[in-house]
Amino acid sequence: SQQGEEDPQALSIQEGENATMNCSYKTSINNLQWYRQNSGRGLVHLILIRSNEREKHSGRLRVTLDTSKKSSSLLITASRAADTASYFCATDASSGGSNYKLTFGKGTLLTVNP
Amino acid sequence: NAGVTQTPKFQVLKTGQSMTLQCAQDMNHEYMSWYRQDPGMGLRLIHYSVGAGITDQGEVPNGYNVSRSTTEDFPLRLLSAAPSQTSVYFCASSSLGSGGGYTFGSGTRLTVV
Repeated sequence: SQQGEEDPQALSIQEGENATMNCSYKTSINNLQWYRQNSGRGLVHLILIRSNEREKHSGRLRVTLDTSKKSSSLLITASRAADTASYFCATDASSGGSNYKLTFGKGTLLTVNP
Repeated sequence: NAGVTQTPKFQVLKTGQSMTLQCAQDMNHEYMSWYRQDPGMGLRLIHYSVGAGITDQGEVPNGYNVSRSTTEDFPLRLLSAAPSQTSVYFCASSSLGSGGGYTFGSGTRLTVV
């Protein structure tokens, strides 16, 4: 069963705008990760945030984590057409933070129109 | 280039046939895993391994076997293919204890007719 659920399922924006995707999960986690998948390709790891962190940045990506609400958000600033992809959150709820058995959500399909 | 290599990229099987999906990584990662991706379902874990000789089941293991004789290779065997196993299969690896992300292969698109 899915631990994480992304929202919205699909998002369409214009180039230059910001894109925000959300992820909710059900149980306590060690870390939460975001991945990107271009059509027909494998997933690419974007960023990892640990349960004791609240915010993390990587380039144009900003991730927040609210463990009290069991939710995370991924913000992509100044989006580009090349950001068009599906974005997945994945949670590590393993004992001891072993990072085994990541559980993935169903993804948000982001379309950035030129 | 370092990474995870999956073969084949595409495969069509008849119901009842068996086959092995290959996965190899050259990053000396201890952890390897297999996921299947179906429309609207996200990725679901089939089997995983934390090192040579050690494997365990994930969320949807039925109909699949794995073994891990070397650190580099983690093949996935379909014993008797069924149409319900039509899916895209991804192999992923990571370094244990690093708390880092997974590296994924490019996938195998399998159709069972």
